[in-house]
Amino acid sequence: QITLKESGPTLVKPTQTLTLTCTFSGFSLSTNGEGVGWIRQPPGKALEWLALIYWDDNKRYSPSLKSRLTITKDTSKNQVVLTLTNMDPGDTATYYCAHRPRNAYNHFDYWGQGTLVVVSS
Amino acid sequence: QSALTQPASVSGSPGQSITISCTGTSSDVGVYNSVSWYQQHPGKAPKLMIYDVTNRPSGVSNRFSGSKSGNTASLTISGLQAEDEAHYYCSSYTSSNTRVFGGGTKLTVL
Repeated sequence: QITLKESGPTLVKPTQTLTLTCTFSGFSLSTNGEGVGWIRQPPGKALEWLALIYWDDNKRYSPSLKSRLTITKDTSKNQVVLTLTNMDPGDTATYYCAHRPRNAYNHFDYWGQGTLVVVSS
Repeated sequence: QSALTQPASVSGSPGQSITISCTGTSSDVGVYNSVSWYQQHPGKAPKLMIYDVTNRPSGVSNRFSGSKSGNTASLTISGLQAEDEAHYYCSSYTSSNTRVFGGGTKLTVL
């Protein structure tokens, strides 16, 4: 059974850096083909794909946010960390992490419950 | 990359069929058979309904089906049920090895 859970601050100030942790179980990011992605959703708005990290440490970022995003993994802890610099009120959103199945091109089969991050001074 | 284009809303009566479109470009939907669809109820995480254009994950009703023609993918729900009322999002792999979501469609069951 695959589970994922996001953790991190619920409130950040403008210009600060957001650090979110995705802790997962039921699979290993050291297994060939596995991946974990991050997706966010501003209140009342659409999903937005942010980043993806593969078992071999390859990483992909949203072109519009690439300069502000970093995704890393700690295989021993079964965790993936997302950082987003220079936070702005427009970054207020629910942030989800999700499991990309082995060798899938484009789908996430298991999602975390999401964590709401509010950017406000 | 721009978001894929979906209608803002669709509606149908119980028992009817509806189709939600998802229009992309020749850099995403048009060139890859890697379109997926998600259902999202209020306050819940998205749920995978269709992957690789036409495939249903285990446990998803066969009332849900997907297709693609050119740069447009479609999700069809047959035999509409009240529990199908939700937001639906499409997603595609892109030529830059990233992914993109659609703007979402609110399905209302009348």
